[in-house]
Amino acid sequence: DAGVIQSPRHEVTEMGQEVTLRCKPISGHNSLFWYRQTMMRGLELLIYFNNNVPIDDSGMPEDRFSAKMPNASFSTLKIQPSEPRDSAVYFCASSVRTVTYGYTFGSGTRLTVV
Amino acid sequence: GIQVEQSPPDLILQEGANSTLRCNFSDSVNNLQWFHQNPWGQLINLFYIPSGTKQNGRLSATTVATERYSLLYISSSQTTDSGVYFCAVTSQGGSEKLVFGKGTKLTVNP
Repeated sequence: DAGVIQSPRHEVTEMGQEVTLRCKPISGHNSLFWYRQTMMRGLELLIYFNNNVPIDDSGMPEDRFSAKMPNASFSTLKIQPSEPRDSAVYFCASSVRTVTYGYTFGSGTRLTVV
Repeated sequence: GIQVEQSPPDLILQEGANSTLRCNFSDSVNNLQWFHQNPWGQLINLFYIPSGTKQNGRLSATTVATERYSLLYISSSQTTDSGVYFCAVTSQGGSEKLVFGKGTKLTVNP
């Protein structure tokens, strides 16, 4: 298996622009997680899906952030409009059963908003 | 929510030395994982170990769930072991989200 695949690897955008991050989980995994990593806050969960349904989005910072999972093999995290404080590394992870097996992380997307 | 504390925050070793990293957690857990974040930023899953002991080459881990701590042992360290080591847990009976500690930054010098 190719693992969790994220794209793009790097994104540089101007403040106010829309940014879309993409994730393909491992085939057969039924839970998907979006994390953000910053120096100040470390690794924090933004949202997670179980069987394509959003379960907990309490970590989504504000209405500018939205996430979708239209099918079992694809998810997006969108920021509109983007701001400099959104600059971070965004990770996607997937798992077969969240409380029994481990999570596998993608390589992350490094987002820079200027 | 559950709290995860890692120690030490920073560790500098000479190549060939051994080390022990510690993770304390504040509640019963269903899942505990150790990750290595390499200098390129990738999060590599080292162990899934909610209890017991596992070994993988020069690395081993032990979790004593009843006492709410886990240890990661690195033997004969190499420069490629440098990076940040994270412990992460999910709380038993709670949310499915994986809560991370702040990590231990390991630097192995040649």
